[in-house]
Amino acid sequence: DGGITQSPKYLFRKEGQNVTLSCEQNLNHDAMYWYRQDPGQGLRLIYYSQIVNDFQKGDIAEGYSVSREKKESFPLTVTSAQKNPTAFYLCASSGVGIQETQYFGPGTRLLVL
Amino acid sequence: AQTVTQSQPEMSVQEAETVTLSCTYDTSESNYYLFWYKQPPSRQMILVIRQEAYKQQNATENRFSVNFQKAAKSFSLKISDSQLGDTAMYFCAFSYGNKLVFGAGTILRVKS
Repeated sequence: DGGITQSPKYLFRKEGQNVTLSCEQNLNHDAMYWYRQDPGQGLRLIYYSQIVNDFQKGDIAEGYSVSREKKESFPLTVTSAQKNPTAFYLCASSGVGIQETQYFGPGTRLLVL
Repeated sequence: AQTVTQSQPEMSVQEAETVTLSCTYDTSESNYYLFWYKQPPSRQMILVIRQEAYKQQNATENRFSVNFQKAAKSFSLKISDSQLGDTAMYFCAFSYGNKLVFGAGTILRVKS
């Protein structure tokens, strides 16, 4: 059953702590993305990757880091430098090219304690 | 800069009626794609419909259809025979390069 999985569903972060959100896909997609969703706003692009071992910053990359060691996986780390991390985080994947549709995972809700 | 504007923060419609959600975009790109995504209360993003900018024919998917006006940079979504399950946040999105730019969304509530 092909799809995108994200874990955990809920994540709590303490002040000064780094946390990592997992994203895995078995759709054989080359491109993967991370978006942040805040209330009343659309999705904003954090980072994206079109090939293993390569990734680019999106519009709001400060305070975040990623890696792409495997085609199937694109974890996102929210670092202590991200001062307002409370949000809903969505991972997506697609083929490469503007005609490709992005498909989304179920999301992770990050809350700060 | 590429921008997407959804001017209706919230809308409501009676079950079985038709509703149209508005979307305008701004771009200097000549080749691009447009999408409508739905986000129900579960928060799962689901593709509703997509439109290739070079095609004049408006896309349709069952009860969902678009009115694509390229010169006006307008891309509205029409939902016919609205159902309770259509209650969701709807996002218009524009694809250029390998990136999507999203509007702020329209909350649609279908009433029985």
